[in-house]
Amino acid sequence: DAGVIQSPRHEVTEMGQEVTLRCKPISGHDYLFWYRQTMMRGLELLIYFNNNVPIDDSGMPEDRFSAKMPNASFSTLKIQPSEPRDSAVYFCASRGPGQGSNSPLHFGNGTRLTVT
Amino acid sequence: GNSVTQMEGPVTLSEEAFLTINCTYTATGYPSLFWYVQYPGEGLQLLLKATKADDKGSNKGFEATYRKETTSFHLEKGSVQVSDSAVYFCALGSGNTGKLIFGQGTTLQVKP
Repeated sequence: DAGVIQSPRHEVTEMGQEVTLRCKPISGHDYLFWYRQTMMRGLELLIYFNNNVPIDDSGMPEDRFSAKMPNASFSTLKIQPSEPRDSAVYFCASRGPGQGSNSPLHFGNGTRLTVT
Repeated sequence: GNSVTQMEGPVTLSEEAFLTINCTYTATGYPSLFWYVQYPGEGLQLLLKATKADDKGSNKGFEATYRKETTSFHLEKGSVQVSDSAVYFCALGSGNTGKLIFGQGTTLQVKP
């Protein structure tokens, strides 16, 4: 049973470049979450989707960040243009249907982004 | 609004010592409570959960009891191992919105 798959595992880019992070949720899961983890701020929820529809994007830091979920098996988080303060580990997580927030999230292994 | 507060780390223990990591929450209604664990270089994994007051979640020797009267969900283990070294996150399930609110995480280091 494949878990949540994120790519790439590591991304190093220069300031001003566009960065795209990818996520494949667990098959059959209808919720998808994007989190960012830093030492300073801990784990922050950026945006989440239900049935491919964005429900809450209030955690997206600014307009440079955008997320899409074109179908049930794929989501992207894009940063354009990237800045050094975007350096963090970005996690994708998915949840199965039925129990709302009583059911656990399944996390991917994250993408470590470094912007120089 | 809903929030979760964990004790600050790092927590450093010797092998076989008793572990407590404190977690308190603020929430309306009756949220579900979770503990997640993050090993180095990996994503978070569910460790245990409790969905109503007085429930005790347990897994791999870890336990936590949902205490509504003290709004707490402290994590305990009677005898830690080096392999338990990780970051532990307390989380609250926000029923209406379907999202989890995480505490800031507590780093546990167990020395042989």
